[in-house]
Amino acid sequence: AQRVTQPEKLLSVFKGAPVELKCNYSYSGSPELFWYVQYSRQRLQLLLRHISRESIKGFTADLNKGETSFHLKKPFAQEEDSAMYYCALSGVTGGGNKLTFGTGTQLKVEL
Amino acid sequence: DADVTQTPRNRITKTGKRIMLECSQTKGHDRMYWYRQDPGLGLQLIYYSFDVKDINKGEISDGYSVSRQAQAKFSLSLESAIPNQTALYFCATSDPDSSEAFFGQGIRLTVV
Repeated sequence: AQRVTQPEKLLSVFKGAPVELKCNYSYSGSPELFWYVQYSRQRLQLLLRHISRESIKGFTADLNKGETSFHLKKPFAQEEDSAMYYCALSGVTGGGNKLTFGTGTQLKVEL
Repeated sequence: DADVTQTPRNRITKTGKRIMLECSQTKGHDRMYWYRQDPGLGLQLIYYSFDVKDINKGEISDGYSVSRQAQAKFSLSLESAIPNQTALYFCATSDPDSSEAFFGQGIRLTVV
């Protein structure tokens, strides 16, 4: 079975402070991990994926297989970062990949 | 134009009624998914389909059924709606190469 855990429902930080959104996963194979973001009144969209090892809007995430974690980080939070963030795992099952999401973390950046 | 379209956007229905939620996509993807979103529970997978002839139950399939009428269409039905099925429902497709998911705008369903 594949599972994604996001322990924090709400994370509140001040503008300019560092941000870390935690994500842990459980999967027996080699996972593909993603972070999705949902801004107010918008549909969910991909923020970044571990394979590309890119930085998007100042966010980065490193896959740590030993700790089975994929935490999302940003050194300096901006007001426009306020949104709902979902960690997701794509695992092979049957004829394709099943996409499993965590419960999400609401990030609130305060001035 | 949106790549993944869900209809209706909002729906209020009575307990015991049968209701269908529609999803269509222009991405050309074989893989499609239905999720429900509840506060504090995130996105829970209801059903998923890897092609027209492939339907799989997700984590919370009880009380729901689906139909994959074509590659582009994936419908979710509530056979006999109950109030705890009040939620926001999302349809998604995924790219077979990158596994990136593309979401519809969601359907807000209220069962009274």
